[in-house]
Amino acid sequence: GQQVMQIPQYQHVQEGEDFTTYCNSSTTLSNIQWYKQRPGGHPVFLIQLVKSGEVKKQKRLTFQFGEAKKNSSLHITATQTTDVGTYFCAGPGTGGFKTIFGAGTRLFVKA
Amino acid sequence: NAGVTQTPKFQVLKTGQSMTLQCAQDMNHNSMYWYRQDPGMGLRLIYYSASEGTTDKGEVPNGYNVSRLNKREFSLRLESAAPSQTSVYFCASLPRQGIGYTFGSGTRLTVV
Repeated sequence: GQQVMQIPQYQHVQEGEDFTTYCNSSTTLSNIQWYKQRPGGHPVFLIQLVKSGEVKKQKRLTFQFGEAKKNSSLHITATQTTDVGTYFCAGPGTGGFKTIFGAGTRLFVKA
Repeated sequence: NAGVTQTPKFQVLKTGQSMTLQCAQDMNHNSMYWYRQDPGMGLRLIYYSASEGTTDKGEVPNGYNVSRLNKREFSLRLESAAPSQTSVYFCASLPRQGIGYTFGSGTRLTVV
């Protein structure tokens, strides 16, 4: 069945270091969404990418959608302690399901 | 603006007990969803309601039932709780243009 895989599962960084999480789909996606979930919190929508090769920025966060629309990445420049949490990608599902979420990448930032 | 409100926030059930998780949204969204979140498995769709009066099964519907009471409210019922249903449950809604779920704060359910 359709899968959305994220790597790495978790990453520890020193504050100020960069961080990247990657999302790979087994099928071509019409769009991809990214969410952030703080520890103990709920997922919060960050952004949606639609176009092949699209790049969007939100302050220190850079989001990319691959040319083949099967992969995406989120890059954080100069991480801060406020960046801690789990980052999820999500894409439209097949078989009648609305959205397939990746398992997430948990980011730990050491001050 | 409250967004999506879920109750209760925490619940402990004994195996075989029943309970209903409540969800309400005040954003006039048509679509509402129930997800469960387990460690290392992301969010899995239990049931969804594309519009008032309709409900459909998601990826993991067994052991659950739902009711779309009106446009604002979408409840999830566990008729006979099992330890495998220990999880964090999130309700979410989606605007008509379909961009970006708004999630509730979650219900942390433990079945012993």
